[in-house]
Parts: sequence; C-alpha cells; structure tokens
Amino acid sequence: GNSVTQMEGPVTLSEEAFLTINCTYTATGYPSLFWYVQYPGEGLQLLLKATKADDKGSNKGFEATYRKETTSFHLEKGSVQVSDSAVYFCALTYNQGGKLIFGQGTELSVKP
Amino acid sequence: NAGVTQTPKFQVLKTGQSMTLQCAQDMNHNSMYWYRQDPGMGLRLIYYSASEGTTDKGEVPNGYNVSRLNKREFSLRLESAAPSQTSVYFCASSEKGTGYGYTFGSGTRLTVV
Repeated sequence: GNSVTQMEGPVTLSEEAFLTINCTYTATGYPSLFWYVQYPGEGLQLLLKATKADDKGSNKGFEATYRKETTSFHLEKGSVQVSDSAVYFCALTYNQGGKLIFGQGTELSVKP
Repeated sequence: NAGVTQTPKFQVLKTGQSMTLQCAQDMNHNSMYWYRQDPGMGLRLIYYSASEGTTDKGEVPNGYNVSRLNKREFSLRLESAAPSQTSVYFCASSEKGTGYGYTFGSGTRLTVV
C-alpha cells in the first residue's frame, strides 16, 4: 500500500548546522509530496510541497526535491536556527480524494 | 483570517461519556478531515468528507461518527469514550485534488479516564 517512512528522531543540532531529514515513500502512480511542521502546542502547517518528479519545493530556507528514481523527498536546510525546533512530517496524497498519508514525524531540537 | 477553528481545545471525559468535537472552516474548501495524533504514530485519518453531503471512513474509524453539517462544518462524535481514544484530534480542510495542501486547526487534546 501507500506509505511514508521518515528517519527517527529526535534530531539534535547546534545552531547554524546543516539539516537533513530523510523521507522515502511507497506509492502507486504519481503522488504529490509535502512537508509539514508542527511547533509545540500548535497544529500542523504546510512548509513546502512538490507535485511532480524533479520539482523542488522551498520555503523559509528549507528545500526538498521530489526524486522519483529513489522515491525520496528529503528535507534540507543549510543553517538551522533555534526557532526551527519543531516536529516535521513528510506526507503524500495519492488519488483525487486528496487524502494525506503521513510519516511518523521527526522531532528536531536546535541548541544555541 | 480564522482558517480552521476547533472547539474545545481541551477536554477530559470519563469512560463511557459522549462528546462532539466541532470544526469549522471559512476558506470555502470542499474537503474536510479528522485525524488523531498519537506519540510515535504520526497522524492517522479517522473520517473524511470529500464534499458537502458525503463522508467516508479513514484508517481508524471505529468508535467515532461524523457529520458534515454544511460546507463549513464537520463534527466528530465519540458515542462512548474509551481510554484508547485519549489523543490529540486535528481537523483539516483542503481544496479537492491531490496537489493541494491541508489547512489544520490547532487541535483538541482529549483525555479519557
């Protein structure tokens, strides 16, 4: 079936470090891919998305490229800040119903 | 710019009690969803409504019912709460189709004792 697998957390980095959070997916057809971010005590917010192979989504210094050959959508940021501390969810939609399937989430903690 | 509004934000129930979680969106979205979030399990879809007048089961529908009251409102009902339903519940809405993201509410933290 369709599924999303993320690297396990928590991930702890120092401020200004490089961030990669791995995400791979299993899906039939051509899903759309998303990254959501959840700050403590809040709901999820859409961070970025890509709707077809080789698309790059970007927002707030974060980037992710839709790689169909490796079925991956890894999240990267060149220099993280304390304010980036949150839980990050990779997700896909796979049919016209638009239902999102989420990975289990990766907690990121950035230390000053 | 309210987006998706959920009420209540917190609730404690005794086993066997019933309650309804309310959700309303003001973005004229067609589709609405209810998810639950549990530690280490990500978000799991309970029920969704692809458009006004339709509802369908998601991954974990047992113990829940929903009503799409109109285009704006989508409620989730627990008829007889169980401790296994202790969770954080999120409502979301979206335009129909695979390329659109969701807009989420801020969640309802439910504890069943």
